[in-house]
Amino acid sequence: DGGITQSPKYLFRKEGQNVTLSCEQNLNHDAMYWYRQDPGQGLRLIYYSQIVNDFQKGDIAEGYSVSREKKESFPLTVTSAQKNPTAFYLCASSGLAGGHPSTDTQYFGPGTRLTVL
Amino acid sequence: AQSVAQPEDQVNVAEGNPLTVKCTYSVSGNPYLFWYVQYPNRGLQFLLKYITGDNLVKGSYGFEAEFNKSQTSFHLKKPSALVSDSALYFCAVRLRRDGNNRKLIWGLGTSLAVNP
Repeated sequence: DGGITQSPKYLFRKEGQNVTLSCEQNLNHDAMYWYRQDPGQGLRLIYYSQIVNDFQKGDIAEGYSVSREKKESFPLTVTSAQKNPTAFYLCASSGLAGGHPSTDTQYFGPGTRLTVL
Repeated sequence: AQSVAQPEDQVNVAEGNPLTVKCTYSVSGNPYLFWYVQYPNRGLQFLLKYITGDNLVKGSYGFEAEFNKSQTSFHLKKPSALVSDSALYFCAVRLRRDGNNRKLIWGLGTSLAVNP
């Protein structure tokens, strides 16, 4: 997990509330990612960003939003439009300058477990 | 559709015995291949990857994996399992033809239980 921090570790949300999950990396990586993990479903990509001020939707972007104003930070907001947000959320980063993007390795943070009350 | 299969949801092995966690893929071309491990309530840790060259790749914690092009497989192996190897293992691939693409295609994971 070294180099990528996620906070909080546990988060509880009431229905109808927006919540923001933090992800910070000090690895000088260009790309950052948000995944959602549910039991038996593996990892599903929510959003990813390959460069500051740019991001793309992943496979399950509905009900989520992101920003990438700084290279080190990629916060994820879970909006009230996300109908089933209870899950384990994982942030990852990859890609050092000068490397080849398609061969680089994603490194993961420790995760945030979100529970809707 | 591009996909990664981990055909076993769970693998049980006795401590000290060799272990194998299977991964097969169905993608166009020859992909880049990755293995990760996840301990309970933790993030994923990178184990190893195949980019090119020798089909046998050695990684962290004594794990290795063999790329088999004809069988489109990338099975993870360890000669002697430890109880501490008990975890969830994920295989992932990235399409080689996609230039700057960094997206991974993930398997659903295999739970490994090593019994003392």
